[in-house]
Amino acid sequence: DAGVIQSPRHEVTEMGQEVTLRCKPISGHNSLFWYRQTMMRGLELLIYFNNNVPIDDSGMPEDRFSAKMPNASFSTLKIQPSEPRDSAVYFCASKEQGLFTEAFFGQGTRLTVV
Amino acid sequence: KQEVTQIPAALSVPEGENLVLNCSFTDSAIYNLQWFRQDPGKGLTSLLLIQSSQREQTSGRLNASLDKSSGRSTLYIAASQPGDSATYLCAPRGSGGYQKVTFGIGTKLQVIP
Repeated sequence: DAGVIQSPRHEVTEMGQEVTLRCKPISGHNSLFWYRQTMMRGLELLIYFNNNVPIDDSGMPEDRFSAKMPNASFSTLKIQPSEPRDSAVYFCASKEQGLFTEAFFGQGTRLTVV
Repeated sequence: KQEVTQIPAALSVPEGENLVLNCSFTDSAIYNLQWFRQDPGKGLTSLLLIQSSQREQTSGRLNASLDKSSGRSTLYIAASQPGDSATYLCAPRGSGGYQKVTFGIGTKLQVIP
């Protein structure tokens, strides 16, 4: 398997524009996580899906953020409208069901909002 | 709410030294703890996963220990090499709810040739 695949790797956009980040989890993994990483706050969990259903979205910072998982092989994180303070690296991770399984991370999307 | 602290925040050592990275967490009700490595501009690579019932886990020159009751884990790196330079992250998985993973800020390691 190619691992967790995220696209794009880098995104530069102007304030106010809509941004969509994409993630393809590892095949067979039914848990998917979106994280945001900044220098100040480290890695923060934004949302967790299990079997395509959002279980915990308490980490989503504002209503401008939304995430979907229409099927087991695809998820999106959308920011609309984007703001400069949204600039960060966004990671997607997936894991198999179970207490003793480890999470695998994608390479991340570096978002810059100017 | 789980809080994870990693000490030191940064570490610079000469090649060949043995070193210890520390991680402490406030909620000891965990299922397991994972150590990750992150290279600059890259994603996270899993190094070791240690279950709550285990005391240690080893992989090559890496050894992770877990003292669940005191909320501590250490990552021991033997005979450090310049290629070990990276940020190391500790991530305990809680046993409540959906077993949420919480990350520390990390320890940035530089191994000098």
